[in-house]
Amino acid sequence: DAGVIQSPRHEVTEMGQEVTLRCKLISGHNSLFWYRQTMMRGLELLIYFNNNVPIDDSGMPEDRFSAKMPNASFSTLKIQPSEPRDSAVYFCASSFARPNQPQHFGDGTRLSIL
Amino acid sequence: GQQLNQSPQSMFIQEGEDVSMNCTSSSIFNTWLWYKQDPGEGPVLLIALYKAGELTSNGRLTAQFGTTRKDSFLNISASIPSDVGIYFCAGQWTGNQFYFGTGTSLTVIP
Repeated sequence: DAGVIQSPRHEVTEMGQEVTLRCKLISGHNSLFWYRQTMMRGLELLIYFNNNVPIDDSGMPEDRFSAKMPNASFSTLKIQPSEPRDSAVYFCASSFARPNQPQHFGDGTRLSIL
Repeated sequence: GQQLNQSPQSMFIQEGEDVSMNCTSSSIFNTWLWYKQDPGEGPVLLIALYKAGELTSNGRLTAQFGTTRKDSFLNISASIPSDVGIYFCAGQWTGNQFYFGTGTSLTVIP
């Protein structure tokens, strides 16, 4: 079975540009989590959805960040406008929306904002 | 939010040695997970623990759910070079959100 699929794997863009990161959940999973990983702050939860509904977005840095689930198997994380401090590895993970269900991660998008 | 502390932050060991790392929380958890992250990849689930005192093995890896429910331990026996990576613990109290530790970076010297 396919795991969580993220695209692109790498993105390099100039500050001010819009960036869109994409994630496809594991088939059957109905929870989706977006994380950001940096050396300084480790793995930070940005937002998560259960059944396409955002449950907790308190980790989203500011209004420049937005996340959506246009359907049950797909999500996007958008940064507009991007800034150099947004450079990080962004992961999405999916699970079943029940307690104790382990999350399964994609291989991440390495984002560099120049 | 929940605070999870992992120790040690990093380890440098000789191939063949055993490894021990732990994770402590300021709050009790109902579930503990251990993940390994290889360079350039996402974290991969190693072991899941669901009950206080539970001891679970996965090959050379053994993890335990602490009896206080505020800690968990991961041991790797007879380390090999491919054990290199960052190991994360994650804990869950309620709902389906996990809180992740700061990671233990493991280097195995051949």
